[in-house]
Amino acid sequence: DAGVIQSPRHEVTEMGQEVTLRCKPISGHDYLFWYRQTMMRGLELLIYFNNNVPIDDSGMPEDRFSAKMPNASFSTLKIQPSEPRDSAVYFCASLESRGTEAFFGQGTRLTVV
Amino acid sequence: RKEVEQDPGPFNVPEGATVAFNCTYSNSASQSFFWYRQDCRKEPKLLMSVYSSGNEDGRFTAQLNRASQYISLLIRDSKLSDSATYLCVVNERTGGFKTIFGAGTRLFVKA
Repeated sequence: DAGVIQSPRHEVTEMGQEVTLRCKPISGHDYLFWYRQTMMRGLELLIYFNNNVPIDDSGMPEDRFSAKMPNASFSTLKIQPSEPRDSAVYFCASLESRGTEAFFGQGTRLTVV
Repeated sequence: RKEVEQDPGPFNVPEGATVAFNCTYSNSASQSFFWYRQDCRKEPKLLMSVYSSGNEDGRFTAQLNRASQYISLLIRDSKLSDSATYLCVVNERTGGFKTIFGAGTRLFVKA
């Protein structure tokens, strides 16, 4: 398996633009997590899905953020409109329900100017 | 209060030193515990699981105290290659399932 795949690896966008981050979890994993990492706040859980269903989105900062998981092999995190304070590294991770280890993608480094 | 709290450091130690990291968690219903390692500009990766009986993997020893809601990681004989950020991780199974990360403790091992 190729592991968790995220795209793009880097994104630079202007304030006000829509940004879409993509994630392909490991096949067979039924949990998917979106995290945001900054120097100030560390690794924050934004939202997680179980069997494609959003379970807890209490970490989503505000209505500008939305996430979907239309099928077991794909998820998106969308920011609309983007703001400079959204600049961070966004990680996607997947987990097999019976397993213990969360596997991370390489992250998307987002810069909003 | 944060769900998982760690001393952010940084810890600056010489090669060969022993260093200990601590972590506390707030949810007594937490069920499983881990230490992850994150290298600069890389994704976090599992270092080791943490059990109530304590567990050891080479130079690394992890301990869990459920009564105090406290987790520790001990690194003996530090190597330059141990320089990284160490993240305390707690899995909560309350209704759903959440994997919560601490903010991480940065370690610098110097020659």
